[in-house]
Amino acid sequence: AQTVTQSQPEMSVQEAETVTLSCTYDTSESDYYLFWYKQPPSRQMILVIRQEAYKQQNATENRFSVNFQKAAKSFSLKISDSQLGDAAMYFCAYREDSNYQLIWGAGTKLIIKP
Amino acid sequence: GAVVSQHPSRVICKSGTSVKIECRSLDFQATTMFWYRQFPKKSLMLMATSNEGSKATYEQGVEKDKFLINHASLTLSTLTVTSAHPEDSSFYICSARASEETQYFGPGTRLLVL
Repeated sequence: AQTVTQSQPEMSVQEAETVTLSCTYDTSESDYYLFWYKQPPSRQMILVIRQEAYKQQNATENRFSVNFQKAAKSFSLKISDSQLGDAAMYFCAYREDSNYQLIWGAGTKLIIKP
Repeated sequence: GAVVSQHPSRVICKSGTSVKIECRSLDFQATTMFWYRQFPKKSLMLMATSNEGSKATYEQGVEKDKFLINHASLTLSTLTVTSAHPEDSSFYICSARASEETQYFGPGTRLLVL
């Protein structure tokens, strides 16, 4: 069965600095999708970035970028120039190409220090 | 971007009553919607997958007679918690699958059963 592991329950970073959140997953599939979702205190789940496994190029969305290492089954999220509004729970999620269900990691709480 | 609404955002009910939660995709059609439950400081737990025009698929351990799901149109799915008990108190989140294969989430419903 597929699993997603976020080994960092909590991370903190100084405002304007860069932080990397780790995520590893286990699958025997070759085609799949990976996602990072953000859940701020409002509890609204917001899509941050997504990566298709067949794409070698790492996805980037403004200050957010991923380091996708398919062979290592690693999918880390880098947040550059951290802002106070980035404070939230960050969840890594996996989805098979043929199945729409998401497999979730346990989440990482990101704290931004002013 | 894709917007999903959820109503109500918060509900308090007496034990034994039923509560209906609506999930709507506002600017896209969603053939598939998902219902999740989230406990404090935990990840999302998938309850069921709702497909338009057919019966929902429930995850193991989720009582289908207690959590009634109806997906009558391409933009609306409802979750009815029947004969609610205090242990049903939780945060319920829906999501809708958009055409680009990404799930977009509603803002959630906080249910408190007294």
